[in-house]
Amino acid sequence: QVQLVESGGGFVQPGGSLRLSCAASGFNFHDYYMNWIRQVPGKGLEWVSYISGSSTSKYYADSVKGRFTISRDNVKKLVYLQMDSLRVEDTAIYYCVRDFRRIFGDLWGQGTLVTVSS
Amino acid sequence: QTVVTQEPSLTVSPGGTVTLTCAPSTGAVTSGHFANWFQQKPGQAPRLLISETDNRQSWTPARFSGSLLGGKAALTLSSVQPEDEADYYCLLYHTGAYVMFGGGTKLTVL
Repeated sequence: QVQLVESGGGFVQPGGSLRLSCAASGFNFHDYYMNWIRQVPGKGLEWVSYISGSSTSKYYADSVKGRFTISRDNVKKLVYLQMDSLRVEDTAIYYCVRDFRRIFGDLWGQGTLVTVSS
Repeated sequence: QTVVTQEPSLTVSPGGTVTLTCAPSTGAVTSGHFANWFQQKPGQAPRLLISETDNRQSWTPARFSGSLLGGKAALTLSSVQPEDEADYYCLLYHTGAYVMFGGGTKLTVL
């Protein structure tokens, strides 16, 4: 079955850390760029980060640069988002999304909720 | 910082036609922005409707079409159905920011 399944969300205090995981199945994982997108409930979508198929290229939104780190394991078909120095404004649903040659987001995970609060 | 603008809300009657637009604050949208369009219904992840400006996905009804219109990316819904009521987001590939989402359009079918 072609799918993405996120995990690792939860409640964390400001300044804390979380690591999100996304498990891919049913497609040639190494062929795809993988992205994290976030959405504050009831608000719009924000692109967070991408990683190329071979991990040679990574890119971050300015809002998370220096605090978040994306990585992937093509053997296990996993993509990660390490989130450090979390802020209240990082509270959102985080989606794992694939893209391939300018076709962005033909497959999304169900999302995992991250809540940053004291 | 570049912002991608969409109409915040639109209302259309069942059976009618409506066009949603998307444009960056830096200028006109071109085919090089490879505009993608998504539909999101409450409690669901977004679903890709259109890629690369005008390519309908296999699951996208034919009443949805993408184009460039007056320097903007456009999503036109024809013969609108009640189930088309949703939020719609555009995405542009953009040098320096990889991709950027528009703020979204809440479409009401009434």
